[in-house]
Amino acid sequence: QVQLVQSGVEVKKPGASVKVSCKASGYTFTSYGITWVRQAPGQGLEWMGWISAYNGNTNYAQKLQGRVTMTTDTSTSTAYMELRSLRSDDTAVYYCARDLGGTYDYYMDVWGKGTTVTVSS
Amino acid sequence: QSVLTQPPSASGTPGQRVTISCSGSSSNIGSNYVYWYQQLPGTAPKLLIYRNNQRPSGVPDRFSGSKSGTSASLAISGLRSEDEADYYCAAWDDSLSGQEFGGGTKLTVL
Repeated sequence: QVQLVQSGVEVKKPGASVKVSCKASGYTFTSYGITWVRQAPGQGLEWMGWISAYNGNTNYAQKLQGRVTMTTDTSTSTAYMELRSLRSDDTAVYYCARDLGGTYDYYMDVWGKGTTVTVSS
Repeated sequence: QSVLTQPPSASGTPGQRVTISCSGSSSNIGSNYVYWYQQLPGTAPKLLIYRNNQRPSGVPDRFSGSKSGTSASLAISGLRSEDEADYYCAAWDDSLSGQEFGGGTKLTVL
């Protein structure tokens, strides 16, 4: 079955970086994009950006430009999201999701279970 | 604050029909598709509606979406206890050059 398996819990200090992985299975990885969404404790959803697994094109949220990098490894059907210069307000659950759409038309039908990232000194 | 405005809460009794609104502007809902997600407590979101009113396979036809001008709505008919969840609308915003989510609506089934 189609699934996305994310890496485990991360605890980081302010200023550090975190890299979350998302391994896809059950479908042709390069036929879809991957969107990353995060959710701070008790808060709503925040779109972080999208990457095409076909050609690596990316589209990042303006708020995170310069701090986030999304990549894919097609040999292992894995997507990665790296966030640098972590702050306490980056504490959140980070989700990857398979994106069925494309530019300006992002919608996600399969989601990972989420990776909790805690930023604390 | 999100550019898409949802009521923070909604409620209904079993069997009832409830609607959740999502208000935006010409740079988001007015010119782009709207999507709806359901998030049960402690779980990842689930796609309910895409491209304004399309239902993915497996989503019951009790759920329907509509859009008019700069607003959109999610309607749930025949309300069930398992519908108790948070609901989020989403749309691309041309001004912000990003996908925006509404603040979410917590639906309580009384």
